[in-house]
Amino acid sequence: KNEVEQSPQNLTAQEGEFITINCSYSVGISALHWLQQHPGGGIVSLFMLSSGKKKHGRLIATINIQEKHSSLHITASHPRDSAVYICAVESGETSGSRLTFGEGTQLTVNP
Amino acid sequence: EAGVVQSPRYKIIEKKQPVAFWCNPISGHNTLYWYRQNLGQGPELLIRYENEEAVDDSQLPKDRFSAERLKGVDSTLKIQPAELGDSAVYLCASSFGGKRETQYFGPGTRLLVL
Repeated sequence: KNEVEQSPQNLTAQEGEFITINCSYSVGISALHWLQQHPGGGIVSLFMLSSGKKKHGRLIATINIQEKHSSLHITASHPRDSAVYICAVESGETSGSRLTFGEGTQLTVNP
Repeated sequence: EAGVVQSPRYKIIEKKQPVAFWCNPISGHNTLYWYRQNLGQGPELLIRYENEEAVDDSQLPKDRFSAERLKGVDSTLKIQPAELGDSAVYLCASSFGGKRETQYFGPGTRLLVL
């Protein structure tokens, strides 16, 4: 069993739909990251959170530490949101940290 | 501000040949990471540097992989000799510090070993 599990693996939506991507983890963490990867490999950090909820534009990320679960929501989805969304958990010693990545969720938003 | 720079962007080599990748992190970022990403999977950490010190290289296959960051700025990752299974995207990232810091990723080097 992977330390970080994402669901679904693939998601197809129509433009305007509300989208949820889930992430569960099995280890103690100091923070959880959501990242976006577009075709061609470029990875962009969307959120880093250790509790509660963060919002940036149409993106919302939540985390429940007790349940070891996080969700990424996209409101009013758009074709330009099509990408791979990756959850990564941060854990490790006080002097530094290691990110353990999920396998990603491929999102396709059709016009 | 320039982002993380990597070169080359693509590399095709025959097995048993050596290959090297270069990364220049964002100016002022002390922490540098090398990741390997296989197709359809998330990145896996190969090595993490704090300045010029390799502080986490537990997942670096040391029989064929080596890395250096001599002056605590840019870094080189080398594979010698390359094997078919090394075909992947090699990503470099940097951050200002190590813990609870946003990591900024370079565009990656796509390696194909024939």
